[in-house]
Amino acid sequence: KAGVTQTPRYLIKTRGQQVTLSCSPISGHRSVSWYQQTPGQGLQFLFEYFSETQRNKGNFPGRFSGRQFSNSRSEMNVSTLELGDSALYLCASSSGSFDTQYFGPGTRLTVL
Amino acid sequence: GNSVTQMEGPVTLSEEAFLTINCTYTATGYPSLFWYVQYPGEGLQLLLKATKADDKGSNKGFEATYRKETTSFHLEKGSVQVSDSAVYFCALSFGNEKLTFGTGTRLTIIP
Repeated sequence: KAGVTQTPRYLIKTRGQQVTLSCSPISGHRSVSWYQQTPGQGLQFLFEYFSETQRNKGNFPGRFSGRQFSNSRSEMNVSTLELGDSALYLCASSSGSFDTQYFGPGTRLTVL
Repeated sequence: GNSVTQMEGPVTLSEEAFLTINCTYTATGYPSLFWYVQYPGEGLQLLLKATKADDKGSNKGFEATYRKETTSFHLEKGSVQVSDSAVYFCALSFGNEKLTFGTGTRLTIIP
């Protein structure tokens, strides 16, 4: 069974721009979660989607948003990029029923 | 709120040494506990997990036991290899909720 895939793997943007990241979960998984990893703040939860609905949300500003499609693929959008948004963005999928989360390789976002 | 405290790194060991990485948690109730590993340039891989008190998770020679009395989930391996060099994260979650991670412990094994 294929694992979680994330595209693109690397992105370079400038301040003020917006960016969209994509995540395809493991086949059959209906839950997708997003995490931000930075050297200073570590791993922080952004949000989780289950069956196209946001089920949980972390403490990030409204510039960070997401959505999930009927095939369970998810996108994350960050608008008005700031230098501090530079991070590794990790996506994780699970069946959604008290199951383990499995992570993708991440998207490395650099904001200049 | 819930939190995970991990042993500060970095940790450097010689090949075949015994490894312990300490992890303790603070939570209301009894969460599931996890160890994830991150190799350079990669995402997180699940190493092992335990879902209830006294459960022992094990994988690839690594073990951790869910200790409710001490709210701990220490990671151990009897004989480490160079290929075990990575960053190790302890984490907890309740059911379908988010994972709460520790700060990570960087492990370097020298031949």
